[in-house]
Amino acid sequence: AQSVSQHNHHVILSEAASLELGCNYSYGGTVNLFWYVQYPGQHLQLLLKYFSGDPLVKGIKGFEAEFIKSKFSFNLRKPSVQWSDTAEYFCAVRSTDSWGKLQFGAGTQVVVTP
Amino acid sequence: GAGVSQSPSNKVTEKGKDVELRCDPISGHTALYWYRQSLGQGLEFLIYFQGNSAPDKSGLPSDRFSAERTGGSVSTLTIQRTQQEDSAVYLCASSPGQGPLTQYFGPGTRLLVL
Repeated sequence: AQSVSQHNHHVILSEAASLELGCNYSYGGTVNLFWYVQYPGQHLQLLLKYFSGDPLVKGIKGFEAEFIKSKFSFNLRKPSVQWSDTAEYFCAVRSTDSWGKLQFGAGTQVVVTP
Repeated sequence: GAGVSQSPSNKVTEKGKDVELRCDPISGHTALYWYRQSLGQGLEFLIYFQGNSAPDKSGLPSDRFSAERTGGSVSTLTIQRTQQEDSAVYLCASSPGQGPLTQYFGPGTRLLVL
């Protein structure tokens, strides 16, 4: 069965620390990949996406992610986090033979302490 | 409006009652999606509408769930004979069409079944 795995459910780190959130998927064909973020009390917002081309994609607020096809991974990174990055982060995958369905990971709750 | 809107924002109902949840997509978006976000299940795809095509209902969890989209715009998700396990946040998203396009999410409707 197709699935998306996020390795960490909760991450706590201090401001200025580096962040890396893991995401692995199990789809056999071509995929689109996304990271969404949900800040406290707000709705899901797109951080970044990969459709094709350069596997290193840059998103908003200094986030980036790297698609490694051989590892079926799409890890999210930020070199130096801020308190305002406290949020829940969701990896999502969509296969190109099923445009309508985003398959989400379980989410990672990130808490950044001042 | 500028984004996807959903109503009501919160709904409390008694077990066995029917509920209707409404979604207004971004103007001009032809594709509309419903997801459910619940504790223990994460974000799950429910149903997908694209233009005048037959909807993809493959994510609906039971025949108590149904959705329609009138005039290619507003959508209503109906849950009949609600159960306590239906308690969740119901999210709506829209995109400009099908294919490799980003889905934009609304704020959700928080449903509590007592």
